[in-house]
Amino acid sequence: ILNVEQSPQSLHVQEGDSTNFTCSFPSSNFYALHWYRWETAKSPEALFVMTLNGDEKKKGRISATLNTKEGYSYLYIKGSQPEDSATYLCASQTGANNLFFGTGTRLTVIP
Amino acid sequence: DAGVIQSPRHEVTEMGQEVTLRCKPISGHNSLFWYRQTMMRGLELLIYFNNNVPIDDSGMPEDRFSAKMPNASFSTLKIQPSEPRDSAVYFCASSFVSGRLGLALRNEQFFGPGTRLTVL
Repeated sequence: ILNVEQSPQSLHVQEGDSTNFTCSFPSSNFYALHWYRWETAKSPEALFVMTLNGDEKKKGRISATLNTKEGYSYLYIKGSQPEDSATYLCASQTGANNLFFGTGTRLTVIP
Repeated sequence: DAGVIQSPRHEVTEMGQEVTLRCKPISGHNSLFWYRQTMMRGLELLIYFNNNVPIDDSGMPEDRFSAKMPNASFSTLKIQPSEPRDSAVYFCASSFVSGRLGLALRNEQFFGPGTRLTVL
């Protein structure tokens, strides 16, 4: 079992504010880092998959970076909107096929 | 494509009863994953299959849990007998994995809607 940690556990921001949260994972035997967005009453949806140290991915107002040497990834949301409210999960993939998920950061964007 | 399909969406049963959860992966995907979501432990992998073969079942909590994948388009997760502590949301996910020895290559997983199980 891999120890994947996310912080903070929950976060409230005002609409229009930018925010970021952290995922830390063991850097040994690392293969890929996944970010998922999970809205209440829905199923997790993939946002990004990153494999290389220094990778940066962007989708609209959401972006992510990866540092495999020190074992962390940041997810950034620029100009948060109420529809961004969700739980953001990261998962570390080892050389095998399975993902080890963190417990998520629950984001609430206040209009 | 309809995405990953799970049934039932909700299941309420009494302790000791057998429970069977079903999953139909996305057509063309060759890997299938069963996860359990609880407040205490978050999202945990129970078992995954590659080309219908169980690859890693180390996450299956105990012998009361079993999973099968008789063909590429169907999988079941069975709990017998069920206990109240099995109450959770069970997710099925599928992905396409290519490469040597089934190693994932940037495989994003597509999740089903989940089955919410309540054991009384």
